[in-house]
Amino acid sequence: SYVLTQPPSVSVAPGQTARITCGGNNIGTKGVHWYQQKPGQAPVLVLYDDSDRPSGIPERFSGSNSGNTATLTISRVEAGDEADYYCQVWDGSSDQRWVFGEGTKLTVL
Amino acid sequence: QVQLVESGGGVVQPGRSLRLSCAASGFTFSSSAMHWVRQAPGKGLEWVALISYHGTNKYYADSVKGRFTISRDNSKSALYLQMNSLRAEDTAVYYCARRSCGSTTCYADYWGQGTLVTVSS
Repeated sequence: SYVLTQPPSVSVAPGQTARITCGGNNIGTKGVHWYQQKPGQAPVLVLYDDSDRPSGIPERFSGSNSGNTATLTISRVEAGDEADYYCQVWDGSSDQRWVFGEGTKLTVL
Repeated sequence: QVQLVESGGGVVQPGRSLRLSCAASGFTFSSSAMHWVRQAPGKGLEWVALISYHGTNKYYADSVKGRFTISRDNSKSALYLQMNSLRAEDTAVYYCARRSCGSTTCYADYWGQGTLVTVSS
């Protein structure tokens, strides 16, 4: 089965740039989607198709995907960005299965 | 606005059954495929099941195949998850989510607030 690998945690000071990676075999050939989840809340879609932002998501959120790594970049990090972030892909099977990364805890110092 | 509201969670003994519901509003439910995704306490997200907009096509994670059944009633804008032969490892918050598709693949653009299922004796 397809596996997505994320770092357990990333720490960044306010105003700096956070980069959260999502590794997978040839992930650059897949569409990657990113979700933000704050404690006690449901996930929220922040990026789809590697780098597109849903309405209401700040331009500070951007993404890239190439080779074996997809990256979520959060510029000018704010305290309110502190959350768990999950990447997600379709595993390419006929069963339409989704695969999620293990999640990355973003801490704003 | 799009709203998804889950219900039906609770405490259930191992081997028993439970049925979750998800009430949808604010969009044309009959035009959207829907997912169930779960999250064990302190753990990450796990995809559980998908049902097509018309209900004909259903897909399951290996961990629940043969035990869980996803269904929908478009006349009621409702999504269901029938969970049988429950195990301790099924303990999780269960989210319903609407599927949307971009230029490449599909994702969940709206999620409910979740309902907690605890399997314990």
